Amino acid sequence: EDQVTQSPEALRLQEGESSSLNCSYTVSGLRGLFWYRQDPGKGPEFLFTLYSAGEEKEKERLKATLTKKESFLHITAPKPEDSATYLCAVQAGTGNQFYFGTGTSLTVIP
Amino acid sequence: NAGVMQNPRHLVRRRGQEARLRCSPMKGHSHVYWYRQLPEEGLKFMVYLQKENIIDESGMPKERFSAEFPKEGPSILRIQQVVRGDSAAYFCASSTLDMLYFYDTQYFGPGTRLTVL
Repeated sequence: EDQVTQSPEALRLQEGESSSLNCSYTVSGLRGLFWYRQDPGKGPEFLFTLYSAGEEKEKERLKATLTKKESFLHITAPKPEDSATYLCAVQAGTGNQFYFGTGTSLTVIP
Repeated sequence: NAGVMQNPRHLVRRRGQEARLRCSPMKGHSHVYWYRQLPEEGLKFMVYLQKENIIDESGMPKERFSAEFPKEGPSILRIQQVVRGDSAAYFCASSTLDMLYFYDTQYFGPGTRLTVL
């Protein structure tokens, strides 16, 4: 069964303290892996798409990487405004569905 | 370019009533997905539609739930005879297929929060 697991569930960082979020997946024929940011009471905001192992994408303090089994979202020198829930989703090669993880809730303390 | 629009943002219904949730995709997008999100849970796929076609409804409950995406107008998610367990945030996403890489990047709306009393 296709599955997406994110860890940790929650992460508290001091401002400037870099860290990484993990997304492990087991799907048949990965077509794409997606990272989103979700603020309370809002819809997910698209961040990155990765589609092959070894690919990396960057945006401001965020960098996403992909291997054959997992993806990491690296956060460098985070700021309080980076506080949000970060969601990972995958699309398998044989279907139309996107499978979402339950997210990592990030809190950055000033 | 306006993003994905959903309305209403909040909807309160009593048990047994009908709920209609609307989604207008981003301009140029012809694919619409509906998801349900319960507190402390991930987004759960419900249905995938293209204009006038239901492509995949494998995540939709068999009874009381239906979805459509007409040639003109927004996509509608309809829940008949709502029960308390239907209370959740419902999100719509739209996409356009990237023919080079064959993947769809989905852009989400702000969601409709349904409360069933």
